[in-house]
Formats: sequence, structure tokens, C-alpha cells
Amino acid sequence: DAKTTQPPSMDCAEGRAANLPCNHSTISGNEYVYWYRQIHSQGPQYIIHGLKNNETNEMASLIITEDRKSSTLILPHATLRDTAVYYCIVRQYGGSQGNLIFGKGTKLSVKP
Amino acid sequence: DAGITQSPRHKVTETGTPVTLRCHQTENHRYMYWYRQDPGHGLRLIHYSYGVKDTDKGEVSDGYSVSRSKTEDFLLTLESATSSQTSVYFCATKAGEWEKLFFGSGTQLSVL
Repeated sequence: DAKTTQPPSMDCAEGRAANLPCNHSTISGNEYVYWYRQIHSQGPQYIIHGLKNNETNEMASLIITEDRKSSTLILPHATLRDTAVYYCIVRQYGGSQGNLIFGKGTKLSVKP
Repeated sequence: DAGITQSPRHKVTETGTPVTLRCHQTENHRYMYWYRQDPGHGLRLIHYSYGVKDTDKGEVSDGYSVSRSKTEDFLLTLESATSSQTSVYFCATKAGEWEKLFFGSGTQLSVL
């Protein structure tokens, strides 16, 4: 699986968009980008995933560059409850056992 | 999510004693996982199961064993607990054909 690089921490003002970057320069053609987040003391929660096209759901938007070497998770209107560690994971679609490798993620702090 | 129940939620034990953690799911998911989470290491995969009686090792499996005799239950056993196994343990299940993991609420294990 391709390795990802994320900033260790970021701050965002409440109500503003939070843009979380992820570099995955060694990604291969059949590897998807997944985002999870972990709110303090809870289990991680799935947010979104994509291959090459931009994706949007009720939680967030995922923007993947044309060369697929980086992506950005966008929380359009961050709230205090979005304070969490966000994990960017690259994984081959339908891989044998679904073993997601979590890195250290980005700790997002949403401030009033 | 996915009806995942981990038990116990908290446990304190002594070095050298056996410990079993239980993960119970009600969604009939085929895949189940045990992760541990420690400061500075993020989430690391211990063992996983891809069906009843089908299990395999993850990246930090030494000192742990697992069993899955029913679809809904995945047990993690520490045969002889050590202080290095003090951690938060998360169970996860895989939903559907693509890798959307659902996580339990975690078990805080302290080995004294």
C-alpha cells in the first residue's frame, strides 16, 4: 500500500472550511484514498473515499489531484465536534483482507 | 455503528494472567479485526478474521491469539499479559464489498 504523509496538526475556526491535505506520491492506479477520523476516546469513523474523481457526501468533500499524488479532505463548515484526528489511508480496492494501515493522522482543532 | 459491542470496556489485570477481550457484532459482517492504539504509534493491526475459523496475523500479533467460532464473535486472548500490552483495544468489522470499517468503542486494558 502507498504511504501517506499528513501534517501532524492543524487549527480551524468554527464555521470556516477545514482543508486537510494528504500526500500519497507513490499511489498506484488501482489504489483508493480513504479518510477516517477519530474523536477523542472513540473508535475511528469512516468519512469518505475516492479513486480519481472528486467525491462529496453529507460529511465532507474529497478532492484528488489529477496526477493522484495528493488529496484534500474538506469539511465545509467546521464545528467544535469536528475536532478529531483525521487519517488519510491509501488502499487497493477490494484487497484481500481489507487491512487498513493507519498512520498518525492530522489532529484538527476547531476553535470558537 | 454496525452493532459492535466490546467487552469489557475497562479492565485492570496483573502481569502473567490470561485475559480475553470479546467483540460481538450483530450485522453479520464477514471480516473482523483487532487493533491496538498507543500514544505515538497510532492504530496497529493485531489479528483479523475473514470468516468463521479463518484468522490471520497482523503487524503486532506476538503475545496475542484470536478465535472466531461464530460469525458474530471475535475473541482476543492475551495468554500471559505483560505491561507492554497495556493499551486501548479496538474491534472493527468490514461492511460490504469495499473497505468501510466500523469500529467498536474500545477496551482500555491496564496490565500492572
